[in-house]
Amino acid sequence: EAQVTQNPRYLITVTGKKLTVTCSQNMNHEYMSWYRQDPGLGLRQIYYSMNVEVTDKGDVPEGYKVSRKEKRNFPLILESPSPNQTSLYFCASSFGLPYSNEQFFGPGTRLTVL
Amino acid sequence: GIQVEQSPPDLILQEGANSTLRCNFSDSVNNLQWFHQNPWGQLINLFYIPSGTKQNGRLSATTVATERYSLLYISSSQTTDSGVYFCAVTGTASKLTFGTGTRLQVTL
Repeated sequence: EAQVTQNPRYLITVTGKKLTVTCSQNMNHEYMSWYRQDPGLGLRQIYYSMNVEVTDKGDVPEGYKVSRKEKRNFPLILESPSPNQTSLYFCASSFGLPYSNEQFFGPGTRLTVL
Repeated sequence: GIQVEQSPPDLILQEGANSTLRCNFSDSVNNLQWFHQNPWGQLINLFYIPSGTKQNGRLSATTVATERYSLLYISSSQTTDSGVYFCAVTGTASKLTFGTGTRLQVTL
């Protein structure tokens, strides 16, 4: 089944404890990105990647890191999480850039930072 | 950047009723998608519809790109249709810009 998977789906952690949220897609998509969703602010892009070893900042990259060492994986790294990073996170992928390709979203990761 | 407005912001329907959700956008777009966010938070792709009309079961969508709007029709609504419906667009940027959503509640 063609899909985007994320792990973990739920995570409660404490301030400063490094964590990684994994994202994987099995559709051979070139483009992958991360969004966060917050009440009143909607969905905002954190980082995106147009291909292996090519990443760029989105609208809210502060406090996050990403890497794209393999085409199928695009992990989101929080080196020192803070309570303002409590959010619902989505990974998305598509064959090419979003302006001409349908985006597919993962199931979401609900993160709470205490 | 592109502004995306959705209306109505909230909608309560009785099961079996029909509804129309609207998405207006401020500039030309190359991509438009409709999503349903279910009560568990998952974003479900409904339509990829930069222009024209598509139908999938009880749902259909129409995008009139030249007039900068899209409509999502839900017919014979069911309680499982409850959730938030998002319209999202892309102009030339490397991201989707989401609207603020329409929260739909379908009651028995």
